[in-house]
Amino acid sequence: AQTVTQSQPEMSVQEAETVTLSCTYDTSESDYYLFWYKQPPSRQMILVIRQEAYKQQNATENRFSVNFQKAAKSFSLKISDSQLGDAAMYFCAYRSAGTSGSRLTFGEGTQLTVNP
Amino acid sequence: DGGITQSPKYLFRKEGQNVTLSCEQNLNHDAMYWYRQDPGQGLRLIYYSQIVNDFQKGDIAEGYSVSREKKESFPLTVTSAQKNPTAFYLCASSTLRHLGGEQPQHFGDGTRLSIL
Repeated sequence: AQTVTQSQPEMSVQEAETVTLSCTYDTSESDYYLFWYKQPPSRQMILVIRQEAYKQQNATENRFSVNFQKAAKSFSLKISDSQLGDAAMYFCAYRSAGTSGSRLTFGEGTQLTVNP
Repeated sequence: DGGITQSPKYLFRKEGQNVTLSCEQNLNHDAMYWYRQDPGQGLRLIYYSQIVNDFQKGDIAEGYSVSREKKESFPLTVTSAQKNPTAFYLCASSTLRHLGGEQPQHFGDGTRLSIL
């Protein structure tokens, strides 16, 4: 079974600065997808960014980028120019690319605080 | 606008009572999922369904039941056998990978269940 680990329960960053959230995972599969979801106080789950394991290029979405290290099974999220609206719980998630279903396995989350 | 609707937003259960959480989607997604979120923890999969009239247990299915009579609907019943039902419940949906294209899961706004 796959597992996802987020070793930082809490992180903080000053507004306009950069922060990196860590995620590691364990799998025996070679083809899979990785995601970062954001959950603000409203509890809504919002997709931030996703990465296909077969792509070597790191995904980027505006101020959000990932550092995907497949051999190390590491998938960190970098938030540049942090804004107050980035404050939220961030979850790393894994999904198999097999046909057994599209279920997600989540890490325990990192609570990000943005200080003005 | 397409999306996922969960109701009610808040629900209270008495001892020995079964309660049902509603999840409806108009995204024409084949797959639907139920997750449970406890404070300070990530999401854990309860049940999922890839097709009408079929569903599979997730990691914590005991004390829960589901049905999938229509593509749009995937209600979750929290039975009296679930001794610790207090949690935040999230419903999600997605396309199936083998039907073409990788699409992330879309989430509803959640239902908070508490014991009276």
